[in-house]
This record gives sequence, C-alpha cells and structure tokens, in this order.
Amino acid sequence: RKEVEQDPGPFNVPEGATVAFNCTYSNSASQSFFWYRQDCRKEPKLLMSVYSSGNEDGRFTAQLNRASQYISLLIRDSKLSDSATYLCVVDGGFQKLVFGTGTRLLVSP
Amino acid sequence: DAMVIQNPRYQVTQFGKPVTLSCSQTLNHNVMYWYQQKSSQAPKLLFHYYDKDFNNEADTPDNFQSRRPNTSFCFLDIRSPGLGDAAMYLCATSTPMTGTGADTQYFGPGTRLTVL
Repeated sequence: RKEVEQDPGPFNVPEGATVAFNCTYSNSASQSFFWYRQDCRKEPKLLMSVYSSGNEDGRFTAQLNRASQYISLLIRDSKLSDSATYLCVVDGGFQKLVFGTGTRLLVSP
Repeated sequence: DAMVIQNPRYQVTQFGKPVTLSCSQTLNHNVMYWYQQKSSQAPKLLFHYYDKDFNNEADTPDNFQSRRPNTSFCFLDIRSPGLGDAAMYLCATSTPMTGTGADTQYFGPGTRLTVL
C-alpha cells in the first residue's frame, strides 16, 4: 500500500464549479498534513496546512479525519488559474514529508 | 525575493559526465533536502541534511552524493549520469520539527537535467 494515495484525475470542471479531492495516508503516527500545488514544470508550492479542526483559506477548505486517515481539499468557485496538480503531503517522521503523486485539475472556460 | 535558489535552472550533460547542481537559501533553515521528480510522479527524496548531519534514503543510488559546506548552501553531485537520471531536481528547506514530525518545506524552482 502506498504511503499517500490520491486519485490522479484529471478532474475537468467548468469555471465556477466546486471540486473536491481526497487523499488517504497509511502512517497513523503522522502529525503534519499539507496540500501543495504544482504547476506544470514548476516546483511544488504550499497551498495550505491541514489542521484537525478543518481550516479554510478563501475558496479553499481542507479537512482532516485522523480516524479514517483521510484528508480532503475543497475548491469553490473554480478559476482558470486553479488548473494545476494538487499534491497531498503527509509527515513521514524524522523531518521528512511524503508526497502523493498528485491530482490534476483542469478548469475550463 | 527568492528564498531558495537553484542553479542552473537547466543542465544538459552527457552520459557519464559528472554534474553538480547547487542550492542556496536565505531562510536560515536547518534542514535542506534534495528530491528527484520525474514526469507525473511524486517528488522522491534522495537525502537531507539536518544541520551537518547527512541522512541518505536507503534506495538512493551511490551515484548521487551531496555536500553542505554551510547553512546556506547545499550541492547535489551526480557522479556518472545515466539516461534514467534525467529529471527535475528540487531543493527544499525546512525548520526542524520537535519530536519526530516534519514541518512545511519550501522549494526552489528546480534544475531540469537532460542527459544525452
């Protein structure tokens, strides 16, 4: 079983749509959780950290379910500029992060 | 202002010809990482430094070496590049997490390596 699993997509949505991505992780001892965004041929950039209570940043909402070892990202009112790959990232212990392979999002006019 | 800088951004080398990639940071972070990322794959950790302590991943080939002469700089040396080493090489930095966790990592723009 992979340490971090994501649906690779692509998710094709029209502008203005709401889209949700899910991610599962295998290490129950993980303490930190993140969503990173990666544009084509660019470096990953932190989108948001994910907290147990759930957190929101503008159009983006992240949720963590420790019991089910499940993380989600909700994007509301999708913009063309949201087109990217979204990486689910989990603390792997000992200062290391474990990256999922990413979910590709394509937002069309 | 760029906080994690990688040079060069693009590197072309010949099969078997050694190459060195560099990374510098202005964040004064204790931890620096080198990742290899191939198309449509997750970044793969090669190794990391916690200050001067070097931590190699078990599956990182001996062909890959690293040096960290000071807090700001870290180098990735590929001793004999093969065709399979063509990839994006990403440097990242982080502050250390207490205990055994891991904190946010900040990435440089990457060096895209082509092997002819």
